[in-house]
Amino acid sequence: QSVLTQPPSVSAAPGQKVTISCSGSSSNIGNNYVSWYQQLPGTSPKLLIYENDKRPSGIPDRFSGSQSGTSATLGITGLQTGDEADYYCGTWDTSLSAGVFGGGTQLTVL
Amino acid sequence: QVQLQESGPGLVKPSETLSLTCTVSGGSISSFYWSWIRQSPGKGLEWIGYIYYSGSTNYNPSLKSRVAVSVDTSKNQFSLNLSSVSAADTAVYYCARDDGTSAFDIWGQGTMVTVSS
Repeated sequence: QSVLTQPPSVSAAPGQKVTISCSGSSSNIGNNYVSWYQQLPGTSPKLLIYENDKRPSGIPDRFSGSQSGTSATLGITGLQTGDEADYYCGTWDTSLSAGVFGGGTQLTVL
Repeated sequence: QVQLQESGPGLVKPSETLSLTCTVSGGSISSFYWSWIRQSPGKGLEWIGYIYYSGSTNYNPSLKSRVAVSVDTSKNQFSLNLSSVSAADTAVYYCARDDGTSAFDIWGQGTMVTVSS
């Protein structure tokens, strides 16, 4: 059971928009920055979003992040088949004094 | 640019110690936090622990009694020791750079470790 809760799967058609939620608590998302990762099949995770809503250099603006209270959301617009991957949210949990991740969301682009 | 590479045995016997090393190239290890993260087959990501270049550490409470992370700044490497392993420790082990806000911006390619006799 992961500390952060994500939907197991989401799907949408090419060109459409999808959002992936990440729910936590005041000891993690509520008081610490959230990051998001994309893991393509057979590869290492890749940082998409850091500090809730910032994109590293090279990440297209189709990817966006937001945080409100104890939840965070990853948005992906203009979906492409190449976006099919597992997506993870992560943050620090102050009570546990540990890094924590969501269970991951599998994105299918139909 | 900075790259990370894990190395170590791919097979470890139950009750023994899993030892992995992460080599940092293209930059100095003498800044940032350096973490170990694992992913069991078909499962999600689990943070194991981090070390700061100065040597200070922090470990996942669920693994704390069995984990030790160390750093060798002269070799630009940091290492993971996980003792008393069982089949539940079978996973892909990643090393990653933590920018200080628990955002892992650089990852190694990962190394699969199987615990089996």
